[in-house]
Amino acid sequence: GQNIDQPTEMTATEGAIVQINCTYQTSGFNGLFWYQQHAGEAPTFLSYNVLDGLEEKGRFSSFLSRSKGYSYLLLKELQMKDSASYLCAVPRDNYGQNFVFGPGTRLSVLP
Amino acid sequence: DAGVTQSPTHLIKTRGQQVTLRCSPKSGHDTVSWYQQALGQGPQFIFQYYEEEERQRGNFPDRFSGHQFPNYSSELNVNALLLGDSALYLCASSVQGLETQYFGPGTRLLVL
Repeated sequence: GQNIDQPTEMTATEGAIVQINCTYQTSGFNGLFWYQQHAGEAPTFLSYNVLDGLEEKGRFSSFLSRSKGYSYLLLKELQMKDSASYLCAVPRDNYGQNFVFGPGTRLSVLP
Repeated sequence: DAGVTQSPTHLIKTRGQQVTLRCSPKSGHDTVSWYQQALGQGPQFIFQYYEEEERQRGNFPDRFSGHQFPNYSSELNVNALLLGDSALYLCASSVQGLETQYFGPGTRLLVL
């Protein structure tokens, strides 16, 4: 089966950098996803990592280490609108079509 | 290009009642998955529909059932509602064989 762990809450200051960690245990591996979810809204896709290393996309970057079962999402130049929950997810099986989500990390950006 | 749409946005029911939630996938997508998200938790996979059949199912009782129509839209039905069914129900669409899923705005169900 799959198990995903993330910190429950984090707080950071506007303009700062924050790293949100995710550790996972899976029977197989078909990539790792990060989603952003504002309160009361749907999750929106941020990134997908299938190979080791860092993927950069604007202010957001995502890192993956398959051997360590570890990923992180790096948010730079934090803005107030970045206050949201960040969900780490892995496909449930080799079919890759459905996800097991972590509990989400609620990030609060303070002025 | 419309994204994933869901209806209704909010719903209030009482214990024992039945509810039907609806989802229209993103244009060009043929696969619909349903998730339940309790407050403060990550989404939990309910089931997935492709080619009008249930293809995969999570750990949810038979009270949860669904359907997919020829136009790829989908319904989620929940019978004999319990208080614990109160949650945000998310629909996600994708193209069969591709991993990335796109979520709709969700239906918030409150069972009293």
